[in-house]
Amino acid sequence: QVQLVESGGGVVQPGRSLRLSCAASGFNFASYALHWVRQAPGKGLEWVAVVSFDGSNKYYADSVKGRFTISRDNSKRTLFLQMSSLRAEDTALYHCARDQGDGYNRFDSWGQGTLVTVSS
Amino acid sequence: DIQMTQSPSSLSASVGDRVTITCRASQSIGSYLNWYQQKPGKAPNLLIYAASNLQSGVPSSFSGSGSGTDFTLTISSLQPEDFATYYCQQSYSLPPTFGGGTKVEIK
Repeated sequence: QVQLVESGGGVVQPGRSLRLSCAASGFNFASYALHWVRQAPGKGLEWVAVVSFDGSNKYYADSVKGRFTISRDNSKRTLFLQMSSLRAEDTALYHCARDQGDGYNRFDSWGQGTLVTVSS
Repeated sequence: DIQMTQSPSSLSASVGDRVTITCRASQSIGSYLNWYQQKPGKAPNLLIYAASNLQSGVPSSFSGSGSGTDFTLTISSLQPEDFATYYCQQSYSLPPTFGGGTKVEIK
């Protein structure tokens, strides 16, 4: 079955960087777009970024544009999110999510998330 | 960005009740509307896609309707496992945006 497992979260000071990973299994990884979606504690869902099936197209939420970079390694079946210049408002549980295809922009499988806490 | 507004933000209902949650988009999104269920401490789960299509494995007690700007999620007979928070999400244009959520609680 489809499995997405995030890692790399932790406590980080404002202004510092962090790299999240999402290891995938159970499906043809290279055929699907992949997203990051975050959820601040006690709050709703916020889309962060998407990368196309082959890594050629990437889009970001305005709130992270210029600070976060999404990428993927299809040979290792892994999705990444490089986060820099972190702010307190980036504190959230970060989920990777599989697109229902490539560019449908709806999410049919989710990981359990990795928690990022930005605090001094 | 397209704004998604859900109502109510919370509701109390009993097992067996019919429950309806509404979602309104700030502009027409055709049928590009999806619904998710999220239980505490768990990842969201896709229930309905493209306004009215039931995702594989989702009980038929869930249904979706609507087009344009107004959409509805209906649970025909609420079960104990249905108590959760529900989110709508538009996939008409980037960025994908979510409604604020509707928490369904036990009466």
